[in-house]
Amino acid sequence: DSGVTQTPKHLITATGQRVTLRCSPRSGDLSVYWYQQSLDQGLQFLIQYYNGEERAKGNILERFSAQQFPDLHSELNLSSLELGDSALYFCASSVTPWAGEGTDTQYFGPGTRLTVL
Amino acid sequence: SQQGEEDPQALSIQEGENATMNCSYKTSINNLQWYRQNSGRGLVHLILIRSNEREKHSGRLRVTLDTSKKSSSLLITASRAADTASYFCATDFGNEKLTFGTGTRLTIIP
Repeated sequence: DSGVTQTPKHLITATGQRVTLRCSPRSGDLSVYWYQQSLDQGLQFLIQYYNGEERAKGNILERFSAQQFPDLHSELNLSSLELGDSALYFCASSVTPWAGEGTDTQYFGPGTRLTVL
Repeated sequence: SQQGEEDPQALSIQEGENATMNCSYKTSINNLQWYRQNSGRGLVHLILIRSNEREKHSGRLRVTLDTSKKSSSLLITASRAADTASYFCATDFGNEKLTFGTGTRLTIIP
């Protein structure tokens, strides 16, 4: 158990709908990352927050947005869902985005499996 | 793409044998990390090696890094059935985020 929690575990919804995925980082971690894992694209970095502020953006679609709240939990909002959005969505956390001379170790949650029908 | 690439894509070995998987990348890195993922589960951090390090050990794991060849290898010695998983290298290109490779799917045959 990494200490990172994600809810829900599974989500089944229809095209065009909007969903919210939630993540609670490990106690003491200030940085949260969101990833999408699909069979054809592999593990793709979406976005990163540090202490409530957006820190880095990856391959995140405009239909997707995220935020990190004062209590450090984070939510990933996916809207106007398409079939191709079906994937595993992971949240990870770290103490800080950096550790000495490089990126800090990230601790992953169990993921949310999103199925868009 | 900066994405690292693991080689081989899939590997099957007998329990007790050693497993070696490789990761290649294209540009300079700050560090390289290896993660394990059991089917459909979250990734678990295994080991981090910095650009100024050449080798690191953790239990049955041995990681090497050759920055001149832009490659790293992960060796798992005395493999066990529980080692069956996908293994990913993740590279830090200095932009405070990790770029994950395509993964090696390791199967340990009892």
